[in-house]
Amino acid sequence: EVQLVESGGGLVQPGGSLRLSCEASGFTFSSYAMNWVRQAPGKGLEWVSYITGSSSTISYANSVKGRFTISRDNAKNSLYLQMNSLRDEDTAVYYCARDEVEVAGQSYYYGMDVWGQGTTVTVSS
Amino acid sequence: SYELTQPLSVSVALGQTARITCGGNNIGSKNVHWYQQKPGQAPLVVIYRDSNRPSGIPERFSGSNSGNTATLTISRAQAGDESDYYCQVWDSTTWVFGGGTKLTVL
Repeated sequence: EVQLVESGGGLVQPGGSLRLSCEASGFTFSSYAMNWVRQAPGKGLEWVSYITGSSSTISYANSVKGRFTISRDNAKNSLYLQMNSLRDEDTAVYYCARDEVEVAGQSYYYGMDVWGQGTTVTVSS
Repeated sequence: SYELTQPLSVSVALGQTARITCGGNNIGSKNVHWYQQKPGQAPLVVIYRDSNRPSGIPERFSGSNSGNTATLTISRAQAGDESDYYCQVWDSTTWVFGGGTKLTVL
């Protein structure tokens, strides 16, 4: 079964740090780009960060640039989000989501077609 | 930065056709993707690259994209279609989501 499972959320004080993890199973993780997407309580979806399968390309939303770092370990089928200097407005459910697949040098996109269940980050004093 | 504009809410009578729009500058030149999200659940892609349906998504869901507007069309609306819907595009090096539209089936 194709699956993504996030972990690492919790309550943290403003200015603190947290590291989220996303463990993939059921597919060739290294062939897929991945994203972190968040959703503040009662709000819409906000894209956070993107990383290609080889980690050669990484991008961030302006709201987190310089504070968050995305990374992956293909040997462990895992995606990470290191979050530093956390602010109240970072409070959200954080989802990891599968992106485009690269096969024989060609990329194919079917939407963010697999999502985890989300992990909740609460930034509060 | 690129912006996508969606109506906050759309209502449709049971069995009728709902259309949810997504506005953006020359959005017709981009690939648009649509997601359905029900309360407490992760989003689900219902349309990718303007008009393609993933397996398992009913034929009642269709998409189009031209000029400055992309549209998600839901035919023969059912109670189970009541959800939030988000459009999405790739702009330069970032993903952009629309603000979301709450679909109510009356």
